[in-house]
Amino acid sequence: QVQLVESGGGVVQPGRSRRLSCAASGFTFSDSAMHWVRQAPGKGLEWLAVMSYDGTNKYYADSVKGRFFISRDNSKNTLYLQMNSLRAEDTAVYYCARSGVDASGLLSAFDIWGQGTMVTVSS
Amino acid sequence: DIVMTQSPLSLPVTPGEPASISCRSSQSLLHRNGNNYLDWYVQKPGQSPHLLIYLGSNRASGVPDRFSGSGSGTDFTLTISRVEAEDVGVYYCMQGLQIPLTFGGGTKVEIK
Repeated sequence: QVQLVESGGGVVQPGRSRRLSCAASGFTFSDSAMHWVRQAPGKGLEWLAVMSYDGTNKYYADSVKGRFFISRDNSKNTLYLQMNSLRAEDTAVYYCARSGVDASGLLSAFDIWGQGTMVTVSS
Repeated sequence: DIVMTQSPLSLPVTPGEPASISCRSSQSLLHRNGNNYLDWYVQKPGQSPHLLIYLGSNRASGVPDRFSGSGSGTDFTLTISRVEAEDVGVYYCMQGLQIPLTFGGGTKVEIK
């Protein structure tokens, strides 16, 4: 079935790194733009990053630019988020999500979401 | 960045009654192609978010027809025509016109 499954979360010390993965199945991953979105405990949703279907274009929220890096391996149907220099405020559930690109070249809505993986930054 | 503002923060509702959530953007979300790049998501308790409405007024696959989206430019509304108990959750609007994509702060719908 159509699904996204995130993994790689856990407890990590401030200043350290962590890589999250998002495994896709049931749809054509290589045709999809892919996103990372996070949700701090008790808070709302924050968009973090997007990568185009072929990996040539990527964009980031200012809050993670220069620390987090999005990548993908279309041969493995997997999206990644490399998180460096982690801070306490990065503590959140991290979701991956799929969108398309419409005829005007704009991103379409997030029609598939994963279940999320929790990252806790604490000493 | 486009700022998305939702109201109310909390919405107690009676089953069978209608409910509306407002979402305003700091810039127009109307593209020259005629589409409004405004989507609605719901996050039910303990679940990940899922898509309700895309491009302002289009119901996503499988979404009951009691949900409708309206508005254009900077002012949008999500309406539930007759609330059911299963509709409890936090509703978010999101603009897809400009990167960074931005969400509203969320509206918590709860049963009275």
